[in-house]
Amino acid sequence: SQTIHQWPATLVQPVGSPLSLECTVEGTSNPNLYWYRQAAGRGLQLLFYSVGIGQISSEVPQNLSASRPQDRQFILSSKKLLLSDSGFYLCAWSVVGSGRAIDEQFFGPGTRLTVL
Amino acid sequence: GENVEQHPSTLSVQEGDSAVIKCTYSDSASNYFPWYKQELGKRPQLIIDIRSNVGEKKDQRIAVTLNKTAKHFSLHITETQPEDSAVYFCAASSPRTAAGNKLTFGGGTRVLVKP
Repeated sequence: SQTIHQWPATLVQPVGSPLSLECTVEGTSNPNLYWYRQAAGRGLQLLFYSVGIGQISSEVPQNLSASRPQDRQFILSSKKLLLSDSGFYLCAWSVVGSGRAIDEQFFGPGTRLTVL
Repeated sequence: GENVEQHPSTLSVQEGDSAVIKCTYSDSASNYFPWYKQELGKRPQLIIDIRSNVGEKKDQRIAVTLNKTAKHFSLHITETQPEDSAVYFCAASSPRTAAGNKLTFGGGTRVLVKP
């Protein structure tokens, strides 16, 4: 069965420091991968999605970037964190088959980021 | 792009009563509508979904209905229990090719089931 991992689980960083969050998926090949952010008490905002190695689409202009160096690895980064980057970051995956993306998305356990 | 509105933002029900959450969407091309349940501090979990070729789907105490003409869909929870207390999110997805499917989420409904 497929599993998705995120680390770290929690992170406290000062304003202006760099960021690297990692997401890996096991048990599937060539998944679509997604990064979402959830501000405290709010909904989920799609930040980036990737359909393959090195292929990244950005949904909103922001202080963050994403990379996919391997098929089942998705990384969220920032060179300089802002206070507004605080939130719950969720990675998600979906299966691709028969030339189209399968709809169901499944979330990882998330990373809770606090920027002070 | 797609826009999903969700109501109410909070819902308090007595244990055993029913809970209904409603969502509207803007893109008539959307054809997949999942519902997620998120407990405090946890990841969202997919609980039920519906595609545009059906009008209703049921799984034990939860059901989802879809009205494509009116572009709205609803989640129904019957015989609510304290463990149903959580935040529920609806979402909509437009048809995609292998270029990826993107979900647009509603703002969430915080459900509290009072014993």
